[in-house]
Amino acid sequence: EAQVTQNPRYLITVTGKKLTVTCSQNMNHEYMSWYRQDPGLGLRQIYYSMNVEVTDKGDVPEGYKVSRKEKRNFPLILESPSPNQTSLYFCASSFHYRGRDTEAFFGQGTRLTVV
Amino acid sequence: KQEVTQIPAALSVPEGENLVLNCSFTDSAIYNLQWFRQDPGKGLTSLLLIQSSQREQTSGRLNASLDKSSGRSTLYIAASQPGDSATYLCAVKAQGGSEKLVFGKGMKLTVNP
Repeated sequence: EAQVTQNPRYLITVTGKKLTVTCSQNMNHEYMSWYRQDPGLGLRQIYYSMNVEVTDKGDVPEGYKVSRKEKRNFPLILESPSPNQTSLYFCASSFHYRGRDTEAFFGQGTRLTVV
Repeated sequence: KQEVTQIPAALSVPEGENLVLNCSFTDSAIYNLQWFRQDPGKGLTSLLLIQSSQREQTSGRLNASLDKSSGRSTLYIAASQPGDSATYLCAVKAQGGSEKLVFGKGMKLTVNP
């Protein structure tokens, strides 16, 4: 089954304690992205990657890092989480073929609370 | 800067009605537009993807149209059912190689039995 898998689904952590949210897709997609969803602000892109070793900032990259060492994985790293990073996080992937995108596939989401 | 608007923010209807959900965007230079569905506590599911060269797409009871020149898209849901209750989001991707989807804030639909 084609899917994007995020782990963990829920996480409560303390300010300053480094954490990683993993994202893996099994569709051999080139493109992967991270978004955060906040009430009243909607979904905003954090980082994206167009292929292995190619990453770039989205709209709200401050406080986050990513890496793309393998095509299937795109982890999101919070080196020193702060309460304003409490949010619902989504990983997404898609494929580009002959000048057109496929639909974007989203993971189930990771609800992060930083206290 | 691209902005995507969905009005109204919420809609409650009786079962069986035909529905039109609206999405507007400020910059017509888009690469594609997608409609998503989000259920509480779950991720987003893509419903329909319209490339910039297309005018509409259909899937089952769903039909989405795109008018780039006016910056509008509509999602038509025929014969609505309680299982259609969810939040519906519209997202556009800009031309120029950016991998960013710009989302509207969504419309929460409730279909009452």
